[in-house]
Amino acid sequence: EVKLVESGGGLVQPGGSLRLSCATSGFTLSSYEMRWVRQAPGKGLEWISYISSSGSTIYYADSVKGRFTISRDNAKNSLYLQMNSLRAEDTAAYYCAREVYNGGFDPWGLGTLVTVSS
Amino acid sequence: EIVMTQSPATLSVSLGERATLSCRASQSVSYNLAWYQQKPGQAPRLLIHGASTRAPGIPDRFSGSWSGTEFTLTISSLQSEDFAVYYCQQYNTWPMYTFGQGTKLEIK
Repeated sequence: EVKLVESGGGLVQPGGSLRLSCATSGFTLSSYEMRWVRQAPGKGLEWISYISSSGSTIYYADSVKGRFTISRDNAKNSLYLQMNSLRAEDTAAYYCAREVYNGGFDPWGLGTLVTVSS
Repeated sequence: EIVMTQSPATLSVSLGERATLSCRASQSVSYNLAWYQQKPGQAPRLLIHGASTRAPGIPDRFSGSWSGTEFTLTISSLQSEDFAVYYCQQYNTWPMYTFGQGTKLEIK
């Protein structure tokens, strides 16, 4: 079974940092591009970061550029998101997702909640 | 940025009836469009990719179609488990994919 499990979320003060992890299983991570997508409470979905299968190509949405860093360790079957300089508007559920069919996301993890508040 | 506009925001339909959800792209995305279903407290689930191809394991009551920049998700006979929020997503402008704001499908 293909599975993604995020961890590392929690409550953090504005300006603080968190590192999210996404543990994968049931497929060969090194064969897939991966993404992080977030969803603010009661809101829609926002793609925030992309990483190629080897990790050599990375992109960010403007909303997180310069503050977030995506990385992966294919040997450990894991994806990461280092989040610095967090703001209240970064409060959201963060999902990792596997990119398939040249652009669809399947599956998604269950998500990890990040709350930025003083 | 391509803006995806979904309508209606909320759709009320009875069990067993047909539901039609719409998604419009602000410019051409070809057929590079996916539909997702999200239930409360759950992650989104891929239903349709390539505008009309069902993902593995998706029941055939779900179908997708498109004309130009207008995309439609049709659920032919609503089951209780189909009531959820549905999102469209364009993936024509790699890597800057964008989602619609969602349509909540509720029981009438």
